[in-house]
Amino acid sequence: SFELTQDPAVSVALGQTVRITCQGDSLRSYFASWYQQRPGQAPILVIYDNNNRPSGIPDRFSGSSSGNTASLTITGAQAKDEADYYCSSWDNSGIHPVFGGGTKLTVL
Amino acid sequence: QVQLHESGPGLVKPSGTLSLTCTVSGGSIGSYYWSWIRQPAGKGLEWIGRIYTSGSTIYNPSLKSRVTMSVDTSKNQFSLKLSSVTAADTAVYYCARDWFGEFSDYFDYWGQGTLVTVSS
Repeated sequence: SFELTQDPAVSVALGQTVRITCQGDSLRSYFASWYQQRPGQAPILVIYDNNNRPSGIPDRFSGSSSGNTASLTITGAQAKDEADYYCSSWDNSGIHPVFGGGTKLTVL
Repeated sequence: QVQLHESGPGLVKPSGTLSLTCTVSGGSIGSYYWSWIRQPAGKGLEWIGRIYTSGSTIYNPSLKSRVTMSVDTSKNQFSLKLSSVTAADTAVYYCARDWFGEFSDYFDYWGQGTLVTVSS
């Protein structure tokens, strides 16, 4: 089992908005980051420190966190956003980083 | 633009030692943390450990007894050794730059990954 829990799969219609969530006790104390991974490729950082976007990441990607849940929102989903998305934060003991199990996003 | 590139044998025998090197280009390895992360086929990501350019390390408790990391700042490289490997260690291994702080830890640059298979 994972200390950070994600829905295994989510779908969204082209151009619509989708929220991907990540739950875990450590999120009450530590920031979350989010990674996009397309098939056969390395992960890409899309959100760090809950709601910050690295340079080059489109502003349709946004992040938030409340209580034990962090969220990644894609506003106006595009076909190229179809990928696996992983959240990450510290483990419950605050010793080392952990990843969620990943959410497979399908754009219909 | 910082780039990372993993290199090393793609096949390791059971009970042997997995050895990988990550070469950093487009920037200095100095004054940053660097991590290794792995991903078995069709599965999620697992953090293995991190090293600072001073040589200080922190390892995932689940792998700590088998992991050794080192850094060579003169070559802009850092390395991973994982001993006593089994088939469960078969995975794509990534190196990444690690922004590590009191409440935050994220990975902003990643290598393309290298597949290591443990098999006789």
